[in-house]
This record gives sequence, C-alpha cells and structure tokens, in this order.
Amino acid sequence: DAKTTQPPSMDCAEGRAANLPCNHSTISGNEYVYWYRQIHSQGPQYIIHGLKNNETNEMASLIITEDRKSSTLILPHATLRDTAVYYCIVRVASGNTPLVFGKGTRLSVIA
Amino acid sequence: EAGVAQSPRYKIIEKRQSVAFWCNPISGHATLYWYQQILGQGPKLLIQFQNNGVVDDSQLPKDRFSAERLKGVDSTLKIQPAKLEDSAVYLCASSTTGTGNEKLFFGSGTQLSVL
Repeated sequence: DAKTTQPPSMDCAEGRAANLPCNHSTISGNEYVYWYRQIHSQGPQYIIHGLKNNETNEMASLIITEDRKSSTLILPHATLRDTAVYYCIVRVASGNTPLVFGKGTRLSVIA
Repeated sequence: EAGVAQSPRYKIIEKRQSVAFWCNPISGHATLYWYQQILGQGPKLLIQFQNNGVVDDSQLPKDRFSAERLKGVDSTLKIQPAKLEDSAVYLCASSTTGTGNEKLFFGSGTQLSVL
C-alpha cells in the first residue's frame, strides 16, 4: 500500500506557481521521497526526488519539512502542459525496491 | 538516449483469448518492471526482474499471467486466458540497478481492452 496522502485534485492558474502537498508521516530515515507525473496516455515521468534536503532541478523544487513527515512539490511557473496526475512516493533507499504508486493528485492548469 | 520501448500500443481481444506484450528497456539497465494500471488508479507492480531473474512477483496472478526476460534484456508479459478485468494499461519500466536512489524510466504502455 502507498505510504503517502495527497489531495485528489487541485487547480492552478497558468503562469502561477503550483504547490502540491504530500503527507508521509510514517516515513523512515532511509526512505526517499519521489515525485512522478503522468500526462494523459503516457507513462509516468520522473520529476525529482530527495532524502532530507530540499532539491531543485529544471522541472521543479522539492521542499521536505525538517521532521520529513511532509513535502511540497513546487512547479514555479505552471503551463497548460503541466496538467497531469502527480504522484508522491516513498521508497526505501537500499535493496531492490520498486515504486509503489497511490492515487496521486490530478493537477489542472487553467488558462 | 533511446527510452523504454513497448509494443503494441493498443490491443483489443475477446475474453478467454491470449495476448502478449513486449518491452525493450534502456540499454544497460539491469532492472525491469511490469506494472498494470487500471483506469483511474495508480500503476500497480506485477513483476520485477533483476537481469534475467525474478526479484518480486508477489502481485502477479500466476494462474493466467506469465513473464520472462530470458537474456536479461527484452521482456514479454503474457495473459492466458484473458478476463474482462484485465482491461488496463500495461507499463514497462527500467532502471540501472534497481536501488532506491535511482529513477525509473517508463515506456508509453500497451492499452489492453478485453471484450
């Protein structure tokens, strides 16, 4: 079962920042937080992942709280092409571990 | 860099027929995954390979589903006989070694409709 809780849906105005929350209150010290997204009719796409520190790449920023029990994915300037289902996933760092998906958050970017 | 290739893109069959899906992972990736995604749900892991060995097949319905990765590269997932509830998108993914600090790369999937 997924170890994360996300809102089922969110809206965001085009050009504004999209802030997607995720609760993972039972996370262990050796578990990463991963974010993937899935655009309609495509396979999931990797966005970003982190362990303790905040992370930023060309797609997004990941903010992890100090107690690691929650995180926020930030898309700084949302476009219509960012409309997708966003999955927050907790994954053990060691060993052969797959991604376990929950239901995710359906983000709609509105013009 | 070429991505994960899957075929066919779409398949329509009648119940009780058999069907096979093919996946070619990214070159050099030792770990290969098959996921099933039913409409409105997140992907669910069916089976995970490390090279040509099975790491986890605990959620694979073995009475009708089978998968192989004979030479540690390409993989085939088969359903025989298919049921209506097998209608879903079947996703293949791969990663370098499968450890938790690596990202998975997904193919576009095969959409199966069982009538």
